[in-house]
Amino acid sequence: EIQLMESGGGLVQPGGSLRLSCEASGITVSNNYMSWFRQAPGKGLECVSLIYSGGNTFYADSVKGRFTISRDNSKNTVYLQMNSLRDEDTAVYYCARDGYSNNWFVSWGQGTLVTVSS
Amino acid sequence: QSALTQPASVSGSPGQSITISCTGTSSDVGGYNYVSWYQQHPGKAPKLIIYGVNNRPSGFSNRFSGSKSGNTASLTISGLQAEDEADYYCSSYTTTSTLVVFGGGTKLTVL
Repeated sequence: EIQLMESGGGLVQPGGSLRLSCEASGITVSNNYMSWFRQAPGKGLECVSLIYSGGNTFYADSVKGRFTISRDNSKNTVYLQMNSLRDEDTAVYYCARDGYSNNWFVSWGQGTLVTVSS
Repeated sequence: QSALTQPASVSGSPGQSITISCTGTSSDVGGYNYVSWYQQHPGKAPKLIIYGVNNRPSGFSNRFSGSKSGNTASLTISGLQAEDEADYYCSSYTTTSTLVVFGGGTKLTVL
């Protein structure tokens, strides 16, 4: 069974930083496209970052220069380092796996809430 | 403002069929067969229900089907059941971004 477990969310002040983790079981993250999505309260889905199996990384314009996606193959974990956080970054963040290498995300974590507020 | 346009809400009675539309442009929905659909129940993670316009992941109900015509993709749910009540999101590859784009979501109410 494939499981993705996010952690690291919480309350942070504007301008602060957080690092989200996504620990995978049942798959090898380095062999998959892995992505971070977010969903602001009462709003829709947004893809914020993607890392290819080959290591290429991509970011939404809204987070470019502030967020960094990475992975630790030895821990089978994907990370999202979030710096210079803004109120509008408040959301539930989901980790997801693309099972088809075509941006079709077949496995999702349960999500972790990030609240940016003073 | 979402890149793809979906109706905010649809409703139907148990046993009926409903269709949710997802309108984009030739840069996304109309130009490529990379449309996918996600179902999301309140407080839960999204679940992939359709990929590649009209393919279902293994084990998913055949009451759900997808199609596309021009710049508009559609999700049809037949034989509506109470557990189908959820939010539905369409998504597509686009040439205007390195990441997939989404519709704003459609809330399905089963009357």
